[in-house]
Amino acid sequence: AQKVTQAQTEISVVEKEDVTLDCVYETRDTTYYLFWYKQPPSGELVFLIRRNSFDEQNEISGRYSWNFQKSTSSFNFTITASQVVDSAVYFCALSTYNQGGKLIFGQGTELSVKP
Amino acid sequence: EPEVTQTPSHQVTQMGQEVILRCVPISNHLYFYWYRQILGQKVEFLVSFYNNEISEKSEIFDDQFSVERPDGSNFTLKIRSTKLEDSAMYFCASRGDRVGGYTFGSGTRLTVV
Repeated sequence: AQKVTQAQTEISVVEKEDVTLDCVYETRDTTYYLFWYKQPPSGELVFLIRRNSFDEQNEISGRYSWNFQKSTSSFNFTITASQVVDSAVYFCALSTYNQGGKLIFGQGTELSVKP
Repeated sequence: EPEVTQTPSHQVTQMGQEVILRCVPISNHLYFYWYRQILGQKVEFLVSFYNNEISEKSEIFDDQFSVERPDGSNFTLKIRSTKLEDSAMYFCASRGDRVGGYTFGSGTRLTVV
């Protein structure tokens, strides 16, 4: 069975702090894709990143970085120098080739960045 | 940039009424999905649609739900007899192939009263 676990329900930080959102996944498939989405208070799902299972290279995009470790089945997301605009719910998600492409979401982590 | 369009953005309906949520996926995409998010909870898969038929559905997607792609551009989700617990945000998504990225619509917030 496929599963995504985001153990942190809520995180609160002060602006300019670094914060890491954890994501652990389970799958028996060898080909899979991992995603992060941001859901601001307005409700839409904003795509942040997609990673395939064959690419363990870490990625950095501005203040965002992602650490993919197959050995621990984790795909963690770090925001450096957080800003108030980063306040949102962040979802980690998994899709596998053999499952017809549906996305399996974690429970989400609500990040609150205070000024 | 191509978008997935969902209408309406918010719909209020009485319990027992039928509702149709509409989506216009990206024109050259082949895979279509509906997801549901009850307020404060995670996003849940409802159904996937490919080649004019359902390819997979979740336990949530019971006989009260149906999907259609009637004219090659719209992709609709119908709930036949709404219940209070159907109140949620419904997201439509499309992708070009089985390994491509997803594009989500902005969602339709359904409120059943």
